[in-house]
Amino acid sequence: ELKVEQNPLFLSMQEGKNYTIYCNYSTTSDRLYWYRQDPGKSLESLFVLLSNGAVKQEGRLMASLDTKARLSTLHITAAVHDLSATYFCAVAYGGATNKLIFGTGTLLAVQP
Amino acid sequence: DTGVSQNPRHKITKRGQNVTFRCDPISEHNRLYWYRQTLGQGPEFLTYFQNEAQLEKSRLLSDRFSAERPKGSFSTLEIQRTEQGDSAMYLCASSPLRPALYNEQFFGPGTRLTVL
Repeated sequence: ELKVEQNPLFLSMQEGKNYTIYCNYSTTSDRLYWYRQDPGKSLESLFVLLSNGAVKQEGRLMASLDTKARLSTLHITAAVHDLSATYFCAVAYGGATNKLIFGTGTLLAVQP
Repeated sequence: DTGVSQNPRHKITKRGQNVTFRCDPISEHNRLYWYRQTLGQGPEFLTYFQNEAQLEKSRLLSDRFSAERPKGSFSTLEIQRTEQGDSAMYLCASSPLRPALYNEQFFGPGTRLTVL
């Protein structure tokens, strides 16, 4: 059974600092996704990573994928308060179904 | 708004009652998923439809749960004889069948169920 682990579970950052969230998964997968969730809200898609070495960037967020290590990272550059949210990685599983197996999430709190 | 919509947004019910939730996916999205999210956890897969066919159900989906997508458009999720452990956010997501490169799932706002 596929397991997805994220760390840290909670991250308190100061504005302007850099940090990385890690996502490990236990079984080979074709696709890895990063989502953002604000309190009480649904999930917003951030990145879809397909291949080994894939890197995508949007604003202060950059995601990468190492399929050999079964590891994805979400790097935050010069954090701002607006980035405060819970971030989930999710791995596609189940062949044609493409159901998503989510990590436990990382609660990011950016302090002024 | 052409995103995924879900109704109701909130539902409070007493233990033992039946509840039904509705999901309207993005138009022309063939794939439809239901997930459940409890506090402090990531969403967990419940079931998957491709058009009107329910192709996969999770072991989490007990006999009290049933889902339908009668015409391949909107979907309903019914929970019979609700229990306090059913309290959660129920999320619906849809994605197009083609192209399949990204298979990106777009999530609705969710229905928050509270069972008293």
